[in-house]
Amino acid sequence: NAGVTQTPKFQVLKTGQSMTLQCAQDMNHEYMSWYRQDPGMGLRLIHYSVGAGITDQGEVPNGYNVSRSTTEDFPLRLLSAAPSQTSVYFCASSRSAGSNFGNTIYFGEGSWLTVV
Amino acid sequence: GQQVMQIPQYQHVQEGEDFTTYCNSSTTLSNIQWYKQRPGGHPVFLIQLVKSGEVKKQKRLTFQFGEAKKNSSLHITATQTTDVGTYFCAGPGYKLSFGAGTTVTVRA
Repeated sequence: NAGVTQTPKFQVLKTGQSMTLQCAQDMNHEYMSWYRQDPGMGLRLIHYSVGAGITDQGEVPNGYNVSRSTTEDFPLRLLSAAPSQTSVYFCASSRSAGSNFGNTIYFGEGSWLTVV
Repeated sequence: GQQVMQIPQYQHVQEGEDFTTYCNSSTTLSNIQWYKQRPGGHPVFLIQLVKSGEVKKQKRLTFQFGEAKKNSSLHITATQTTDVGTYFCAGPGYKLSFGAGTTVTVRA
């Protein structure tokens, strides 16, 4: 049971570099999302997708791009890394985005990113 | 956007004692979810509350949804070292807005 798989687990970037955080789920989930977690601020939604080919911005989208070409994959791209993007990133998925009563969200194990 | 506030931010508990963490929203919530994150780990779903005044129990954990569906609480009885972690409330719907969490430490 792989669930939600994120890679890499740890990454150090220099300011201005670009990189992609990979996320894959094997549960045929419709909804996928990316969060960042900073001390004392909980989890903040970066981007989300309600299905293949559909993406939208969350609370803190600036500096990040996403795409959803398949149901399984939802990569997060940092275009030009900045120290303010040092954070822990979590990918998450849930069965459906269509219910007002919500669905259990499954999180990946996280990617620790440091920008120097 | 939706704002969910949690108090307290930190809770230091003597092993065996009870404690409660609270979650408040400025607007009515259609549902609320609770998650637990162990140190160094990822959030794990605990429970979802949907109905006004709903109370659900999971062993030593009791979750409550307020009558007005604007607040929720998590009460843990007889705290154990396994309860260490950060507890988040989040809601509603699929675009979860997370509270800042209550980080729980336990004194043996």
